[in-house]
Amino acid sequence: GAVVSQHPSWVICKSGTSVKIECRSLDFQATTMFWYRQFPKQSLMLMATSNEGSKATYEQGVEKDKFLINHASLTLSTLTVTSAHPEDSSFYICSASRLASLQKETQYFGPGTRLLVL
Amino acid sequence: RKEVEQDPGPFNVPEGATVAFNCTYSNSASQSFFWYRQDCRKEPKLLMSVYSSGNEDGRFTAQLNRASQYISLLIRDSKLSDSATYLCVYYGGSQGNLIFGKGTKLSVKP
Repeated sequence: GAVVSQHPSWVICKSGTSVKIECRSLDFQATTMFWYRQFPKQSLMLMATSNEGSKATYEQGVEKDKFLINHASLTLSTLTVTSAHPEDSSFYICSASRLASLQKETQYFGPGTRLLVL
Repeated sequence: RKEVEQDPGPFNVPEGATVAFNCTYSNSASQSFFWYRQDCRKEPKLLMSVYSSGNEDGRFTAQLNRASQYISLLIRDSKLSDSATYLCVYYGGSQGNLIFGKGTKLSVKP
């Protein structure tokens, strides 16, 4: 089956530092990758949609200059949280999809990255 | 109205019980619906898709009522391993993304 990995699985950092999270599709080419964020007892909320070779599309309220997304290849997307603050502490999850038409295609989720900013 | 509304629970049931979860959604144009399961501190995993005709997978039965914009999940003969949070999900975002409910927490006790 389709496997998506994320690295790191957890990270603790000081306020003001930048953190990069990688999302890789291991056995398929992902035309689209999604980045979600989940706060405790809340639903997964989409942050941005990333298509290989083009700029990411950010959801309303998500700062594109703070959450930098790069999707340089069909198997790798990265999310960089710049100048992280304690309120950025959350569970970040990526998902990947193979097809351009997404209605019928399952999204494959990575295991998530837990970020704690002190 | 929230995009997806679910009873947060928790539902505490004994092993062997039958439990039902409900969910309402706001986007009447959505075509694809799912139930996902999320264990504590883990990513969500697809449990089953939901079709208008209703579908069953072992002990799990899902139903979709488009007229009422309502989805249900029935779990029969619940097991300890069914303890998790069940997320009602549909394709509804402008980017083809999934829209998640907050989930309903189920705890199955011995």
